Amino acid sequence: NAGVTQTPKFRVLKTGQSMTLLCAQDMNHEYMYWYRQDPGMGLRLIHYSVGEGTTAKGEVPDGYNVSRLKKQNFLLGLESAAPSQTSVYFCASSYIGTSWYEQYFGPGTRLTVT
Amino acid sequence: EDQVTQSPEALRLQEGESSSLNCSYTVSGLRGLFWYRQDPGKGPEFLFTLYSAGEEKEKERLKATLTKKESFLHITAPKPEDSATYLCAWGKGGSEKLVFGKGTKLTVNP
Repeated sequence: NAGVTQTPKFRVLKTGQSMTLLCAQDMNHEYMYWYRQDPGMGLRLIHYSVGEGTTAKGEVPDGYNVSRLKKQNFLLGLESAAPSQTSVYFCASSYIGTSWYEQYFGPGTRLTVT
Repeated sequence: EDQVTQSPEALRLQEGESSSLNCSYTVSGLRGLFWYRQDPGKGPEFLFTLYSAGEEKEKERLKATLTKKESFLHITAPKPEDSATYLCAWGKGGSEKLVFGKGTKLTVNP
């Protein structure tokens, strides 16, 4: 049982390049989330999904797109990376129902955009 | 405007020196107040959930409490392994989203 895994762990992009971050969970969770964490700003929600085939915007969605084609996977895309997107990205998942708040986090992806 | 404020931003304690972390909130329709722990280089890990004023939860040296305006995370006789950033988060009715505070970085020196 690997829990929540994220690929890649580190990445350096040049401004304007694109990339996709992959999040996978093996706990059969309905809900999945993408956050970014920046010094002094805390964790901020980018996009989330309450089930396969559904996505919704969070607090800071601009510049990002997401897809949830399979229940176990949640992809975060950057179409044209900007230095402001330099951050640590965390994926999380949780069960549906009364324990939705108990989110299980992945180890993070550290992204640098130059 | 809904908001959560954590204080202090950073706290240094000696091993065995008890203290408290604060999370004050102004949220309408609060659907729970939650505490997470984050170790350096890792994702946050769930600790506690609190739903109503007067509620308390305990786990080892940690005890979380909730009033109508704030939550406290009390740390009794801390050890160096308790060093981490502690995050509080809130949920709102009708939503499966959490909003996190900026955290308190706790360092416990041996």
